[in-house]
Amino acid sequence: DIVMTQSPDSLAVSLGERATINCKSSQSVLYSSNNKNYLAWYQQKPGQPPKLLIYWASTRESGVPDRFTGSESGTEFALTISSLQAEDVAVYYCQQYYRTPPTFGGGTKVEIK
Amino acid sequence: EVQLVESGGGLVQPGGSLRLSCEASGFTFSTYWMSWVRQAPGKGLEWVANIKEDGSEKYYVDSVKGRFTISRDNAKNSLYLQMNSLRAEDTAVYHCARDRGVVALFDPWGQGTLVTVSS
Repeated sequence: DIVMTQSPDSLAVSLGERATINCKSSQSVLYSSNNKNYLAWYQQKPGQPPKLLIYWASTRESGVPDRFTGSESGTEFALTISSLQAEDVAVYYCQQYYRTPPTFGGGTKVEIK
Repeated sequence: EVQLVESGGGLVQPGGSLRLSCEASGFTFSTYWMSWVRQAPGKGLEWVANIKEDGSEKYYVDSVKGRFTISRDNAKNSLYLQMNSLRAEDTAVYHCARDRGVVALFDPWGQGTLVTVSS
């Protein structure tokens, strides 16, 4: 199975500041035929199910604010919130969908400092 | 509006069985792969199983193979998870989720139903 490792486990950021979450896959999730990384990011707010934010490592889901950006470098990925808002408090998960079973990172809890 | 509503969770003893259901609405259920994803209390996410549009292909995470069975009834817009030989480590909120196309991208998710395995 592909292991997804997220860091940090949690971070506290001041309102309006940048938050960056990292995710590393144990093997490549890049499909050479279409040159796409099969990597998604989800946001889970307290008491709610996860919500898809980003897929193909950097494609924002419709309706997701542009302060959320996904980036990639080999087998390392990042989710950046450029200017943290109160409503962004949540746990964020990365997930690979390159190979079955699809696997998730352990999650990163984002809080307000 | 796309909706997924799970039911069937509850308290069950180790070794027992439970059948979860997920009722879908707001989209053409028969044209989507569907998945079950679970979340142990205070823990992360674990994909459990998925099923092709017509039910002809099914895949499972190793830890549930031989114990859980995923199925669907397209006429009833419903997804099921039959869980047998339950263990304490199966305790979790079970979410059903719609897969996007042929890839295991989950959108949307249901609110989930809690399964507690305990004596």
